Amino acid sequence: GAVVSQHPSRVICKSGTSVKIECRSLDFQATTMFWYRQFPKQSLMLMATSNEGSKATYEQGVEKDKFLINHASLTLSTLTVTSAHPEDSSFYICSARDLPLAGVGVYNEQFFGPGTRLTVL
Amino acid sequence: GEDVEQSLFLSVREGDSSVINCTYTDSSSTYLYWYKQEPGAGLQLLTYIFSNMDMKQDQRLTVLLNKKDKHLSLRIADTQTGDSAIYFCAEKGSSNTGKLIFGQGTTLQVKP
Repeated sequence: GAVVSQHPSRVICKSGTSVKIECRSLDFQATTMFWYRQFPKQSLMLMATSNEGSKATYEQGVEKDKFLINHASLTLSTLTVTSAHPEDSSFYICSARDLPLAGVGVYNEQFFGPGTRLTVL
Repeated sequence: GEDVEQSLFLSVREGDSSVINCTYTDSSSTYLYWYKQEPGAGLQLLTYIFSNMDMKQDQRLTVLLNKKDKHLSLRIADTQTGDSAIYFCAEKGSSNTGKLIFGQGTTLQVKP
């Protein structure tokens, strides 16, 4: 299957700093990337959908000014956590798919990155 | 709204079969998925089923779908210690965003 990488895999930062997480599709072009957040022993919560060349669509309750998403190329999306606080500590996972927006009944797999563990002190 | 529910924990002995259950609310779901997550890692797609199918088998994995009851199950035959992980059920609705709705995840513990 297709490979998605994330960098860094683990980051520790001080409160008030900004952290950038990269999500790359290594062997395919990803027109759409998704950013999830996962708390310990909990499910994945979709934060936003990122389409190449356009603004991200954020889920309800996700602060777009705090979680900046950029999808400038077909193989790279970045999530920047601005002015991080301890409550932003979490496991952030991205996924990517290689098809344009599809209608009902069309299968399109999401390929997941290995995740980034963010700890804010 | 869309919701996916799973039981949180399942413990089985090595060699036994494991059955992980999932219920969902969106009757317009087109595809349903099972993902596996090992500690500290991302999600690995195990299998998926299209909503007009009742069953799909792939080696040790069997997926059953009861669309009337909106119930999905994953059976792992001859469960091994390497199968210990968190298993997530997810649905893809009818919208064209590609968005997946995940269940809470079922932690599968396999005892030797």
